[in-house]
Amino acid sequence: GAVVSQHPSWVICKSGTSVKIECRSLDFQATTMFWYRQFPKQSLMLMATSNEGSKATYEQGVEKDKFLINHASLTLSTLTVTSAHPEDSSFYICSARDKAKLTEAFFGQGTRLTVV
Amino acid sequence: GENVEQHPSTLSVQEGDSAVIKCTYSDSASNYFPWYKQELGKRPQLIIDIRSNVGEKKDQRIAVTLNKTAKHFSLHITETQPEDSAVYFCAASSGGTSYGKLTFGQGTILTVHP
Repeated sequence: GAVVSQHPSWVICKSGTSVKIECRSLDFQATTMFWYRQFPKQSLMLMATSNEGSKATYEQGVEKDKFLINHASLTLSTLTVTSAHPEDSSFYICSARDKAKLTEAFFGQGTRLTVV
Repeated sequence: GENVEQHPSTLSVQEGDSAVIKCTYSDSASNYFPWYKQELGKRPQLIIDIRSNVGEKKDQRIAVTLNKTAKHFSLHITETQPEDSAVYFCAASSGGTSYGKLTFGQGTILTVHP
């Protein structure tokens, strides 16, 4: 149980285009999902908290108009990187918290984004 | 907000030796402290966690200690093996509506030499 699936695993896009990343909880309902970004050889930094049916909460310094988050259902959150630039190249990882259990959040497998 | 400091940034040990990684946190409201192992290009893998009502927790070769007064917690790996080589992250969370919202330390690259 407690499986979180993230898609795609990797993506290469041209500068100026947009990329959508999906995060799904496969066997539980996730009221809340979290999006992290990890640059090479660095730690995971929280970008935003995604709550089902409401607007995401962004961390300081994260542009909400550039990183669009949608959490339309209890099992799916999406992160769209708009007008991507090479400096957006990073490892993006989501995690999902089980609505029924106040326990750890479970991580997706991550998405390696390369903007060329 | 929460700030988590992790040391050392790199740690090299011989197989069979013990490894200790230390973290400090700033927010006294934090009450959940997980440790993750991450291999290159993969998701963080939870290896052990501790909650603020417990001072120590052990799982086979891995143990975590927590000192709430001093706001620090440590990961102890005994009888290290080459497959323990990875990047280790500590994290802190304050629970409640923030459950699952993690602030990570900077990471420790552990290398276990055969």
